[in-house]
Amino acid sequence: EDQVTQSPEALRLQEGESSSLNCSYTVSGLRGLFWYRQDPGKGPEFLFTLYSAGEEKEKERLKATLTKKESFLHITAPKPEDSATYLCAVQAGRDDKIIFGKGTRLHILP
Amino acid sequence: EPEVTQTPSHQVTQMGQEVILRCVPISNHLYFYWYRQILGQKVEFLVSFYNNEISEKSEIFDDQFSVERPDGSNFTLKIRSTKLEDSAMYFCASSDRGVVEQYFGPGTRLTVT
Repeated sequence: EDQVTQSPEALRLQEGESSSLNCSYTVSGLRGLFWYRQDPGKGPEFLFTLYSAGEEKEKERLKATLTKKESFLHITAPKPEDSATYLCAVQAGRDDKIIFGKGTRLHILP
Repeated sequence: EPEVTQTPSHQVTQMGQEVILRCVPISNHLYFYWYRQILGQKVEFLVSFYNNEISEKSEIFDDQFSVERPDGSNFTLKIRSTKLEDSAMYFCASSDRGVVEQYFGPGTRLTVT
């Protein structure tokens, strides 16, 4: 069964304290891995798509990387406004559907 | 900046009643999706829609559910006879590139009593 597991479930950091969020996956035939940000009571906001091992994408303080088994979302010198839940999702096989992980709740303290 | 909109923001209904959740996707998008998120749980795929037909659906999307694009702008999700376990946040998403870059609406919170 295709699975997406995110860790940690929750993370508290001081402003400026860099860290990484993990998304590990077991799927047959990965077609794409996606990162989203979700603020409380709102819909997910698209951040990145990664297609193949070794690929990296960056946006402001965020950098996403992909290996054959997992993806990392690196957050450099975070600010309080980076506080949110970060969701990982994968598209596998021939399906036009994606499977989400449970997310990592990130809280940046000022 | 164009965005996906959803109405209503909150719907309360009694068990067994029919509900229609409405979405207005981004205007030039061709791929449309519905997801749900039960409180405290992961986002779950329900259905994808392209070229006026369902392209994929999950096991959750049974005969109680249907989708429609009644005109050039709206995309609706109908639940025929709601159950308590249908209580969730329902998100609509749209894309011009398929699942690879979806834009989500703010969601409709459905509460079934």
